[in-house]
Amino acid sequence: NAGVMQNPRHLVRRRGQEARLRCSPMKGHSHVYWYRQLPEEGLKFMVYLQKENIIDESGMPKERFSAEFPKEGPSILRIQQVVRGDSAAYFCASSPRQGDADTQYFGPGTRLTVL
Amino acid sequence: AQSVSQHNHHVILSEAASLELGCNYSYGGTVNLFWYVQYPGQHLQLLLKYFSGDPLVKGIKGFEAEFIKSKFSFNLRKPSVQWSDTAEYFCAVTSFSGGYNKLIFGAGTRLAVHP
Repeated sequence: NAGVMQNPRHLVRRRGQEARLRCSPMKGHSHVYWYRQLPEEGLKFMVYLQKENIIDESGMPKERFSAEFPKEGPSILRIQQVVRGDSAAYFCASSPRQGDADTQYFGPGTRLTVL
Repeated sequence: AQSVSQHNHHVILSEAASLELGCNYSYGGTVNLFWYVQYPGQHLQLLLKYFSGDPLVKGIKGFEAEFIKSKFSFNLRKPSVQWSDTAEYFCAVTSFSGGYNKLIFGAGTRLAVHP
């Protein structure tokens, strides 16, 4: 049973380009969470999605960031016009049920570097 | 707002030494507490969790943590570390908001164990 998959594992972008990060949840999981880890900091919640719905995006920057979790396919975290401050590790987690933080299973993360 | 603080960012130990990693949280209500571990190049894994009951919680790989409500603490311990325990350790607490639990992480502690 495959775990949470994230790709790419490493992504390099120049300032002004777009970054697309993908997350495939565990089989049977319909809840996805995105977290960001800046250098020397802990993981910070960004957004919580269910299939085709954004439930909570209170941790997302207001501009340039968007997330989706379509009916088919992986969840996508999209960062437009990246800046150096977007360099971080982005982690995705999935869970089978709403409200159960203890069943969040994490992916390996995508390390974004903005040149 | 809830927050989690981990006292040590970097810890270096020799094999067989005892380990204690500090974690304090700020929240006046009922909390669920977690320790996660991230081995080099791998995803976050749940070490142990506390929801209720016995405040001394035993996890995987010989780790344990003690919840001390009066001190708002949830310190992680292991009596004798091994080289394979080299990893980053994150303390986390859940915040129940909007009908679901959101994980709030500390900044992490990097543990290096020398043979």
